[in-house]
Amino acid sequence: GAGVSQSPRYKVAKRGQDVALRCDPISGHVSLFWYQQALGQGPEFLTYFQNEAQLDKSGLPSDRFFAERPEGSVSTLKIQRTQQEDSAVYLCASSFGPQYNEQFFGPGTRLTVL
Amino acid sequence: AQSVSQHNHHVILSEAASLELGCNYSYGGTVNLFWYVQYPGQHLQLLLKYFSGDPLVKGIKGFEAEFIKSKFSFNLRKPSVQWSDTAEYFCAVNAPYGGSQGNLIFGKGTKLSVKP
Repeated sequence: GAGVSQSPRYKVAKRGQDVALRCDPISGHVSLFWYQQALGQGPEFLTYFQNEAQLDKSGLPSDRFFAERPEGSVSTLKIQRTQQEDSAVYLCASSFGPQYNEQFFGPGTRLTVL
Repeated sequence: AQSVSQHNHHVILSEAASLELGCNYSYGGTVNLFWYVQYPGQHLQLLLKYFSGDPLVKGIKGFEAEFIKSKFSFNLRKPSVQWSDTAEYFCAVNAPYGGSQGNLIFGKGTKLSVKP
């Protein structure tokens, strides 16, 4: 596709449910980032992949958060046993080459935990 | 830890007014600097970036930004705003030699409302 796509665009979960958020990066982009954006805040880094390797997961807020990119393209962010504080927009971004290139962002998934 | 400060939470201007949005970062080493814009209902888009060279960078839609290393600043400017510039603007940095993997550190954003 022409840009980064994410699905679903909106997700409502009951507290305690598991959710999975999908990111399709731009074809051929090596680097993939996940960010979390709380209401009224800027995006905050969660994790980074270079191809299928997860090189940095220092931003994941707890061990309930897990991300994968098994074939070096599509990535999934999974949140287990969701809590209300997990409510946020989850953004995916990809870049072509080394990680310091321009990042292209997807539209995000808005997660609401009730 | 690196951080980015955007001084204005919400700026309201009339069309044709000049714009300057402040951005300061805290990191003493080499940085790459970015301004992203998010128009209502749309995703984040890159306005401009600074990696090296001329500290005055020009971006899309008539925006420009000046990197002042001594002030740790990267302010965004536009001489004459239009109603279509209504959006949220985010300043971001990454540190190529700072031990990160290129992840961006964002400010909290500035909402710009332009009155027709």
